[in-house]
Amino acid sequence: KNEVEQSPQNLTAQEGEFITINCSYSVGISALHWLQQHPGGGIVSLFMLSSGKKKHGRLIATINIQEKHSSLHITASHPRDSAVYICAAPGGTQGGSEKLVFGKGMKLTVNP
Amino acid sequence: NAGVTQTPKFRILKIGQSMTLQCTQDMNHNYMYWYRQDPGMGLKLIYYSVGAGITDKGEVPNGYNVSRSTTEDFPLRLELAAPSQTSVYFCASRKTGPLLNEQFFGPGTRLTVL
Repeated sequence: KNEVEQSPQNLTAQEGEFITINCSYSVGISALHWLQQHPGGGIVSLFMLSSGKKKHGRLIATINIQEKHSSLHITASHPRDSAVYICAAPGGTQGGSEKLVFGKGMKLTVNP
Repeated sequence: NAGVTQTPKFRILKIGQSMTLQCTQDMNHNYMYWYRQDPGMGLKLIYYSVGAGITDKGEVPNGYNVSRSTTEDFPLRLELAAPSQTSVYFCASRKTGPLLNEQFFGPGTRLTVL
């Protein structure tokens, strides 16, 4: 079974700071998901990636398949980025299972 | 499109009571999922379905049942509620294809069992 670990678990930043959220997993995978959970509880998908880098606005996600590691970067952070950021990977022994395994999430607070 | 909708938003049950959490999606997605989220823990898969009439267990299926009679609906049934089932429940769906497809989540149902 894939184990997904996120670090740090909590982060407080000042508006404008560059933020990095890390995710590591134990089994080789076909895809990794980054999700955002708003303070009200709603969950939205941010990225899915299997290699390299993806960018959407101020968010950048990277993945290193060999090192089994992914990072989510937020440039010029803003208070509206305050949320829990969750990474998830396929849970099968060969990384291709339909069942996603989720990290515990990282709670980000951006102060004005 | 309404996306994924869940009802109710909140519910308090007594131990031993039963209830059904409703989930509906209007995106014609074949894949649907039920997750639970406990405080400080990651989402855990309860059951999933790859199409009408087909369901399978996830990581934590005990105490729950599901059915999938239509593409749109994927209800989750709790037969004998226990305090350990106090959690926030999320339904999600995605279109057919590799796992590299976005999952769309419902707003969640907060369930308390006393």
